[in-house]
Amino acid sequence: DTAVSQTPKYLVTQMGNDKSIKCEQNLGHDTMYWYKQDSKKFLKIMFSYNNKELIINETVPNRFSPKSPDKAHLNLHINSLELGDSAVYFCASSQDSGGREKLFFGSGTQLSVL
Amino acid sequence: AQTVTQSQPEMSVQEAETVTLSCTYDTSENNYYLFWYKQPPSRQMILVIRQEAYKQQNATENRFSVNFQKAAKSFSLKISDSQLGDTAMYFCAFMRGNNNDMRFGAGTRLTVKP
Repeated sequence: DTAVSQTPKYLVTQMGNDKSIKCEQNLGHDTMYWYKQDSKKFLKIMFSYNNKELIINETVPNRFSPKSPDKAHLNLHINSLELGDSAVYFCASSQDSGGREKLFFGSGTQLSVL
Repeated sequence: AQTVTQSQPEMSVQEAETVTLSCTYDTSENNYYLFWYKQPPSRQMILVIRQEAYKQQNATENRFSVNFQKAAKSFSLKISDSQLGDTAMYFCAFMRGNNNDMRFGAGTRLTVKP
């Protein structure tokens, strides 16, 4: 069983479109995250979210919005895609207590905006 | 703000030899965690080793060990008996003890040569 799974693995789309990336974790973790890895492989946090708190990195454009239907899911919705949004997006999760420091990552979604 | 610096963009090592990857960080916190993550070509982010800042003893996981120098804010990773499967990007990461925000360095691309 995959602990943190995200779909799709690859996403190619046109500028201006709206797209979503789905993420699910079956670890019973309280907190989920979205990270962006740019072309230089640099990983930057975008959001962290649990049922109590959404923390947004202030550098993330408001075209990006996390949506959590339940504790096991944190989807990433992107409006009006731009060329600069091309990157690999990683979902991750952690236990909120007693293990919060250990992140489990999904395998990433490579987004290409044309 | 916490920053993580990996000064070696690329490194290579012969199979069965030992290699050390460097990482330094900047923080005024006293309670934090440090990590090394491995990202092979499959893109999956895999936790290699972690260190709690309050522990003086260096963490070890089989062939992987760290040299944690808290005063110098240095956290290097030593890989002994390198194997071809160790070829990957390696990311050093920092997390404050009371925060979900994990900060990554820019990564070091390690190639193990046969």
